Amino acid sequence: DSGVTQTPKHLITATGQRVTLRCSPRSGDLSVYWYQQSLDQGLQFLIQYYNGEERAKGNILERFSAQQFPDLHSELNLSSLELGDSALYFCASSPGTSGGRAETQYFGPGTRLLVL
Amino acid sequence: SQQGEEDPQALSIQEGENATMNCSYKTSINNLQWYRQNSGRGLVHLILIRSNEREKHSGRLRVTLDTSKKSSSLLITASRAADTASYFCATDSSGGFKTIFGAGTRLFVKA
Repeated sequence: DSGVTQTPKHLITATGQRVTLRCSPRSGDLSVYWYQQSLDQGLQFLIQYYNGEERAKGNILERFSAQQFPDLHSELNLSSLELGDSALYFCASSPGTSGGRAETQYFGPGTRLLVL
Repeated sequence: SQQGEEDPQALSIQEGENATMNCSYKTSINNLQWYRQNSGRGLVHLILIRSNEREKHSGRLRVTLDTSKKSSSLLITASRAADTASYFCATDSSGGFKTIFGAGTRLFVKA
C-alpha cells in the first residue's frame, strides 16, 4: 500500500459526459501527479501540482482540467468524454523536497474509466 | 515522442536466470528512475539514480547509468516468478518538473 488513495476505482460513463477523479496523496507529500495509461499510448504524464500550484503540464487535453486543494488532495476533471478517453488514470505523490522537481513517486491504485 | 524507451519490449526467462532491461533517452536529465507495474495495478518505485551516479544497487537490482550514451540498464539477478511484471524507466525533463515514462519492458519469469 503506497498511501495514495484514488476514488472511484471503476467508472463507467457515456460519451459526452463529465467525470471527476479524486486523489489523496500520502501524508505530508506536497506534489501530486496525474497520468493516463492506455493500451496504445502507454503511461502519459498529464499534469503536476506542487503545494496547490501547477508545476508542469504534459499531454493533457483541453477537455481535461485538474486542481490541488489547500488540504493537498487533487481532482482531475474529464469533460465531453470520448471513447478514446477510456483508460487507467493514476495519481502519484511525492514529498516535494526538490521544490517540485522529479523525484520518487508513489502511485495510487488507479481509476479505471470506461466510456461507452 | 517519449523521452525514455525500453528495450526489449518483452522478455521471457526461466526462474533463477538474470534479466536485463535497457532504457535510452534523448535529452539531458537530473535523474532516472525505474518502476515496476503488476498487471493493471499502480506503479511501484524501484530505484532512482542521479545523473552524477554510475551504478546503484538495491537487493537483487542493479542499475547503471551512462550519461554519455544516454542510456541505463536494470539488471534483476536470480529472477523469481514474482518478478513477472512490466518495468518502466522514467526520466525528468523541462528543468526537472516533468516525468516521462518509457513504453516499458514486459518481463515474464517462468517457474
